[in-house]
Amino acid sequence: AAGVIQSPRHLIKEKRETATLKCYPIPRHDTVYWYQQGPGQDPQFLISFYEKMQSDKGSIPDRFSAQQFSDYHSELNMSSLELGDSALYFCASSRKKGTTYEQYFGPGTRLTVT
Amino acid sequence: QKEVEQNSGPLSVPEGAIASLNCTYSDRGSQSFFWYRQYSGKSPELIMFIYSNGDKEDGRFTAQLNKASQYVSLLIRDSQPSDSATYLCAVGYSGGSNYKLTFGKGTLLTVNP
Repeated sequence: AAGVIQSPRHLIKEKRETATLKCYPIPRHDTVYWYQQGPGQDPQFLISFYEKMQSDKGSIPDRFSAQQFSDYHSELNMSSLELGDSALYFCASSRKKGTTYEQYFGPGTRLTVT
Repeated sequence: QKEVEQNSGPLSVPEGAIASLNCTYSDRGSQSFFWYRQYSGKSPELIMFIYSNGDKEDGRFTAQLNKASQYVSLLIRDSQPSDSATYLCAVGYSGGSNYKLTFGKGTLLTVNP
């Protein structure tokens, strides 16, 4: 079965640079979520999109922005990178079924800021 | 503030034993409950979800939900060394088009051969 695709899988950037992470949801999934996971931490919700509209916002810094495109893929744009942004970034997707949403995670992008 | 609490562990069980993982949540409006397995450096993998009170079984896994007690658990029967991972409890809440999961901090399970 098709899974969530994320690219790149690894990314090394310097402080104050920008980064763009991409996510391709499972086919026919209409919702995309972005999470940040630091070492030894649980995933922290950043932002989500339903049918290409922002549906919820979590602890996403103002330096970050995201959008979902007409083909449902999503991009997370990160500017003025800081050392503390080094983490695993996961994208998850789901398909709305009533009030339940089973989220399936992609393999993640490991961002290292030096 | 919706909170999800798990014992951080580590929980150590011998191979072939039953591993019992527990989770409590604070928001009575929570509607859906998930268990994810995460190996070190890998992404969370959805292994069980449960929406109604009672038990749900899938292979060696059984999820149990008690909404009155705001408690959800995961039992792993015949534990294998390959089950050694961090298990994340996640609780979902839906409000219109908004939906997100709140994760617990995870329980590290070690299955000893």
